Amino acid sequence: DAKTTQPPSMDCAEGRAANLPCNHSTISGNEYVYWYRQIHSQGPQYIIHGLKNNETNEMASLIITEDRKSSTLILPHATLRDTAVYYCILISGYSTLTFGKGTMLLVSP
Amino acid sequence: DSGVTQTPKHLITATGQRVTLRCSPRSGDLSVYWYQQSLDQGLQFLIQYYNGEERAKGNILERFSAQQFPDLHSELNLSSLELGDSALYFCASSAPGGLETQYFGPGTRLLVL
Repeated sequence: DAKTTQPPSMDCAEGRAANLPCNHSTISGNEYVYWYRQIHSQGPQYIIHGLKNNETNEMASLIITEDRKSSTLILPHATLRDTAVYYCILISGYSTLTFGKGTMLLVSP
Repeated sequence: DSGVTQTPKHLITATGQRVTLRCSPRSGDLSVYWYQQSLDQGLQFLIQYYNGEERAKGNILERFSAQQFPDLHSELNLSSLELGDSALYFCASSAPGGLETQYFGPGTRLLVL
């Protein structure tokens, strides 16, 4: 019962921007879009989240479409250490984390 | 390094056995969460404790139990183990606030043979 859809894999050249898409066409008004990543068999790591405005932090930028039905995580200058599985999830109120399959991002030299 | 520690890193055991996984939260964090990650199920929330009390329960089997001690470390007990319990078990801790304050430990990889 996935509420988000992500491509299973993406490639990116080192130093270039990585743009990871996420579709969430049934998002509710009180649901935030959260992004996490998981480097091989390590614990998940929080990246960024947003409700409807675009957000930026030291790790990434999050672009949410005006209708909130999709979003894009942008890693502006991908490095080899950004190779990981990236998860887009919807969260409202007090909630806990349940991840789907995510997108495997491979950053190559 | 998230500041959350988990022991052991790896555990191999047989079906029917019982194991205990241990988690030490980040200094000052009162909440501890346990998650299970298997290849076919993804990351699933099991249970949360806050300052020694159970706060939320997810898809935790009756064969599994957990507790949080006065020093805030937590243990996850898995009994009558089955092959399907083989997975990565993550502990996370958080301070009050949003999910962005939740930090995950390195995990314990359990293999049931």
